Amino acid sequence: GAGVSQSPSNKVTEKGKDVELRCDPISGHTALYWYRQSLGQGLEFLIYFQGNSAPDKSGLPSDRFSAERTGGSVSTLTIQRTQQEDSAVYLCASSLSPGVYNEQFFGPGTRLTVL
Amino acid sequence: AQTVTQSQPEMSVQEAETVTLSCTYDTSESDYYLFWYKQPPSRQMILVIRQEAYKQQNATENRFSVNFQKAAKSFSLKISDSQLGDAAMYFCAYRSKSSGDKLTFGTGTRLAVRP
Repeated sequence: GAGVSQSPSNKVTEKGKDVELRCDPISGHTALYWYRQSLGQGLEFLIYFQGNSAPDKSGLPSDRFSAERTGGSVSTLTIQRTQQEDSAVYLCASSLSPGVYNEQFFGPGTRLTVL
Repeated sequence: AQTVTQSQPEMSVQEAETVTLSCTYDTSESDYYLFWYKQPPSRQMILVIRQEAYKQQNATENRFSVNFQKAAKSFSLKISDSQLGDAAMYFCAYRSKSSGDKLTFGTGTRLAVRP
């Protein structure tokens, strides 16, 4: 079946503008994760959704970042008033259910460039 | 907090030879999982191999194997019979239930394969 998809693939924006990044997880996967990969760095956890539970927002770097997951499926990561340090690749992953054993399947990411 | 360290930013191997990528981690937990992910230029993270901390036997997946030293908190990846398609970024990652199922990544090792 289809894997995790993300859109857009690339996004260029001007400093101060808002952006929305979309993630479509694998059908039936209840857990969804967002990570950020800055140039030359590993992946940094941002937020985690599991079913109808309150999301784990502990990785969000500032209140300019927010995310929602509608109907337990599609998720949108919103960055308000973008800054140049927000430039990174934003990766989404999903897994069948929570649990450390369950594999996280990653999407191809969205490369965000803030000018 | 858990940390993952990859001390080799870049590695190079001759095609058909063997290469070992290093990873160390820091945790006070006893129940956790360790992973190696491959990230080709397409950006999509691909799970290579995983190891459960409670298992003493080192995991193996075809040409990929790990050397898991729990006491030393070391988790190296060995790639045998290297192929041109193995060229990519490799990330070591840690995951535990108490850390909320999220993955904690190292900064990665870029592997080049010489023909």
